[in-house]
Amino acid sequence: KQEVTQIPAALSVPEGENLVLNCSFTDSAIYNLQWFRQDPGKGLTSLLLIQSSQREQTSGRLNASLDKSSGRSTLYIAASQPGDSATYLCAVLPNTDKLIFGTGTRLQVFP
Amino acid sequence: GAVVSQHPSWVICKSGTSVKIECRSLDFQATTMFWYRQFPKQSLMLMATSNEGSKATYEQGVEKDKFLINHASLTLSTLTVTSAHPEDSSFYICSGETGLAFEQYFGPGTRLTVT
Repeated sequence: KQEVTQIPAALSVPEGENLVLNCSFTDSAIYNLQWFRQDPGKGLTSLLLIQSSQREQTSGRLNASLDKSSGRSTLYIAASQPGDSATYLCAVLPNTDKLIFGTGTRLQVFP
Repeated sequence: GAVVSQHPSWVICKSGTSVKIECRSLDFQATTMFWYRQFPKQSLMLMATSNEGSKATYEQGVEKDKFLINHASLTLSTLTVTSAHPEDSSFYICSGETGLAFEQYFGPGTRLTVT
């Protein structure tokens, strides 16, 4: 059974720091992996999607890497800003079409 | 990008009543729609998967007679919580999938409170 874990569970940093959020999954047989952002009481915003054949994806200050063989993905946030404060979720798509979500990392960036 | 809407965004109902939540894909046709629920400070849990014109497939532990799902068209799915109880209070989120690259687009969620 696929399980997805995110570390750390919570993170509080001053503005300007470069951040690393980790996601691990137990079964390397995945079709893709997505990173989402969720603001309190809101739905999910897709940040990056990495296909299983890809190693990384970049969008602005965000960079996500994927190492399928080790069951890991990392989300890098460069030059963090208070507006980046949110919960970040990773989700894997096994070779079915049901996303399996991680436990989330609650990020707070203070001025 | 693909946009999914949900209505209502929040609802309060009395115990024993039924509540219907709508999920619409606004600018794409969703061959498959998913319904999730999320408890405070927890991650999303898939409740059911629905394909247009077919019966929904429910995840283990989800009562299909309590959570009625209808996917009448390629742009609309509804979730009806029947005989709601306080323990059904949760955040319900839907998503739509185009079938291309299996990417899901999520709605803004519906906060249900049962008193």
